[in-house]
Amino acid sequence: KNEVEQSPQNLTAQEGEFITINCSYSVGISALHWLQQHPGGGIVSLFMLSSGKKKHGRLIATINIQEKHSSLHITASHPRDSAVYICAVGGNQFYFGTGTSLTVIP
Amino acid sequence: SQTIHQWPATLVQPVGSPLSLECTVEGTSNPNLYWYRQAAGRGLQLLFYSVGIGQISSEVPQNLSASRPQDRQFILSSKKLLLSDSGFYLCAWDPIRLAGMAPSDEQFFGPGTRLTVL
Repeated sequence: KNEVEQSPQNLTAQEGEFITINCSYSVGISALHWLQQHPGGGIVSLFMLSSGKKKHGRLIATINIQEKHSSLHITASHPRDSAVYICAVGGNQFYFGTGTSLTVIP
Repeated sequence: SQTIHQWPATLVQPVGSPLSLECTVEGTSNPNLYWYRQAAGRGLQLLFYSVGIGQISSEVPQNLSASRPQDRQFILSSKKLLLSDSGFYLCAWDPIRLAGMAPSDEQFFGPGTRLTVL
């Protein structure tokens, strides 16, 4: 069993839809990261969470430490949001989910 | 501002050939440095991390090695590549964590090197 599980693996949405990507983990952590990987491979850090909720533009990330679960929400999705979203947990060392491939159709 | 560089961007190498990937960080000092590999269809796997010059920790036994000859330089090497070494290699850094302080907000990734071993 993987230490980090993401769902769904693949997601296709129409432009403007509200999107939710889920992450569950089984290890003790000091922080959870949401990452975005574009088709070229480059990875951008979106959020680091240790509790509660963070918002950046149309992106919202929440974490429930007791339930070992986090969600990434995208409001008013846009084709440029198409990417792979990766959940990573840990401290000095990270465990990574295999990612959720999101395609937003115009 | 801090930036992280990797080269080359893409590499095609025959089995058994040597490998050297380089990563450098600008705009910071004494960072933690990491090498990750992303194999096709799989998640990111931590290969090595370094908390200082000459200090390397290996997470996964393999035919790869890493070195940190300078504070902001991290090198990934192999003497003889295997087919299974193909993948996307990412270098990352984050500011050194001081005792008692919370983790940094982000772990910054380089642009990556796509390695194909034939």
